[in-house]
Amino acid sequence: NAGVTQTPKFRILKIGQSMTLQCAQDMNHNYMYWYRQDPGMGLKLIYYSVGAGITDKGEVPNGYNVSRSTTEDFPLRLELAAPSQTSVYFCASRTGLSELYNSPLHFGNGTRLTVT
Amino acid sequence: GIQVEQSPPDLILQEGANSTLRCNFSDSVNNLQWFHQNPWGQLINLFYIPSGTKQNGRLSATTVATERYSLLYISSSQTTDSGVYFCAVKGTGGGADGLTFGKGTHLIIQP
Repeated sequence: NAGVTQTPKFRILKIGQSMTLQCAQDMNHNYMYWYRQDPGMGLKLIYYSVGAGITDKGEVPNGYNVSRSTTEDFPLRLELAAPSQTSVYFCASRTGLSELYNSPLHFGNGTRLTVT
Repeated sequence: GIQVEQSPPDLILQEGANSTLRCNFSDSVNNLQWFHQNPWGQLINLFYIPSGTKQNGRLSATTVATERYSLLYISSSQTTDSGVYFCAVKGTGGGADGLTFGKGTHLIIQP
């Protein structure tokens, strides 16, 4: 059981480039999330999904896009990278079954992104 | 949205000491978790504790939901306890799903 897997671990982008951060979970969790963590700060929610085909914005969605075509995968797309998007990105998931509505989040190990 | 405040922001202790970390939140919650972020950046689940008390080895946590705070206790600290401890909550009000994080307590355990 791998849990939540994020790739790549590290990436350096030039301003204006695009990339996709990958996230996959093998726990059959309905809910998935993308967070970013800036130096010395807590995590902030970018986007989340409550199931395949359903996504919604979090606190800091500008500059990002997501899709959820399967239960397992939740990629995060950066279209025109900017220095302000330099951060560590974490993907998380949790079960959303009705009897376990308030269930704990499980995090991946993060992707460290630098935009120069 | 819900606000989360953690204290103290920084804590330096000798190995073997005990510590208490506090998390205050501004509204009712139906989800509260404590995480440890180790020096490699990994987020480790410590407790899922929207109310009540739990213990896991040298760590324990108590959430008093009616008074809107949670405490994390670390006893007999070890150098491997160093890192940042985050409290994160989900308010019962509407809005985006997902947890709101505090800024963390940076703990350094010296040998």
